[in-house]
Amino acid sequence: SQQGEEDPQALSIQEGENATMNCSYKTSINNLQWYRQNSGRGLVHLILIRSNEREKHSGRLRVTLDTSKKSSSLLITASRAADTASYFCATVGGGTSYGKLTFGQGTILTVHP
Amino acid sequence: SAVISQKPSRDICQRGTSLTIQCQVDSQVTMMFWYRQQPGQSLTLIATANQGSEATYESGFVIDKFPISRPNLTFSTLTVSNMSPEDSSIYLCSVVGREGVNTEAFFGQGTRLTVV
Repeated sequence: SQQGEEDPQALSIQEGENATMNCSYKTSINNLQWYRQNSGRGLVHLILIRSNEREKHSGRLRVTLDTSKKSSSLLITASRAADTASYFCATVGGGTSYGKLTFGQGTILTVHP
Repeated sequence: SAVISQKPSRDICQRGTSLTIQCQVDSQVTMMFWYRQQPGQSLTLIATANQGSEATYESGFVIDKFPISRPNLTFSTLTVSNMSPEDSSIYLCSVVGREGVNTEAFFGQGTRLTVV
């Protein structure tokens, strides 16, 4: 079953603007990850944030995690047309379920040149 | 990191037939995962494939419909059996880079299946 919701479902912005996507989940987690998918192909890992972390940066990406609200956000700064893709959050639950990802619904990002 | 080769990349199949999807990894891994992505939807885990044992299926997925083989530590197949148009989806295999909870996953490029 899907872990939770992502919003917005679709986001359209101009190049150079920032894009923010949100993700909510329902159960306790070990970590939350963000993935990118181009045109229905394979997924590419972007960033992983552990349950005891609140914020993480990687290049133009900034991820926050609020375990009390069971939510996360992904910020892409200074977006480029090449950032156009679908973005998914995914969680790894407790126990020995490593490798098993539960995905959110995804956000379709369109960056206009 | 891990490089995953998945075949075929796409196929159009007649209803009632079966398709076997292959997944080859460039390194030995303990577990391989198979996901389904229905049109316009997110990914759902079908099963976890361990070498030397039967695959573990998630709720809503059964072995008769999605038999999985895992003959060695670098290869797995997923068969979609007795297909119907509802099986039209992208099927993806995945591995984790290293054992442990806090590790990223790597995905094949997916198999886009259309059942007519």
